[in-house]
Amino acid sequence: KNQVEQSPQSLIILEGKNCTLQCNYTVSPFSNLRWYKQDTGRGPVSLTIMTFSENTKSNGRYTATLDADTKQSSLHITASQLSDSASYICVVSAGDYKLSFGAGTTVTVRA
Amino acid sequence: DTAVSQTPKYLVTQMGNDKSIKCEQNLGHDTMYWYKQDSKKFLKIMFSYNNKELIINETVPNRFSPKSPDKAHLNLHINSLELGDSAVYFCASVGGAEQFFGPGTRLTVL
Repeated sequence: KNQVEQSPQSLIILEGKNCTLQCNYTVSPFSNLRWYKQDTGRGPVSLTIMTFSENTKSNGRYTATLDADTKQSSLHITASQLSDSASYICVVSAGDYKLSFGAGTTVTVRA
Repeated sequence: DTAVSQTPKYLVTQMGNDKSIKCEQNLGHDTMYWYKQDSKKFLKIMFSYNNKELIINETVPNRFSPKSPDKAHLNLHINSLELGDSAVYFCASVGGAEQFFGPGTRLTVL
């Protein structure tokens, strides 16, 4: 069973709207949690990295939250743009090179 | 200057052939990974090397053999290709907690 579950699997939003992606994990021990953006035909690019003590981190219009007690994270996209259309992948690190990947959420932004 | 580069970008080959994918990073990192991304977009770790030494092998068939001639390079050789090997393969270089992915190599086995 995958230790990182993402929801929804996909979503469609109108340009300018906000959306929130969810990531629940059971990985233990916990070292850090990362959100990546993967454009079609490209490699993933890091958006945010959060350690145990951080509960929010922003990167432009992307804001990630982390609740290490409930083992949940979210990625909020504000004022979406067409270029936000991509897959967003949640990755949890247990340290020592051990990474657990979520299956990703595919976001489609429509004009 | 590309941080992590892979060649080739596309690879189409027949079943049973042997092929290699090359990866190079100019970031000065010690750790590199190979990932396989299947049609469902799920990324799976295949191998990890640290300073030319294998540290992770995620139960990958021994038809796959990574080779790290130096810290900047981690190549992937695949023997006796099978249909199920069709996927996109990503190389990544790790510095601290940050991973930098290459552009991917789309392998199609016919």
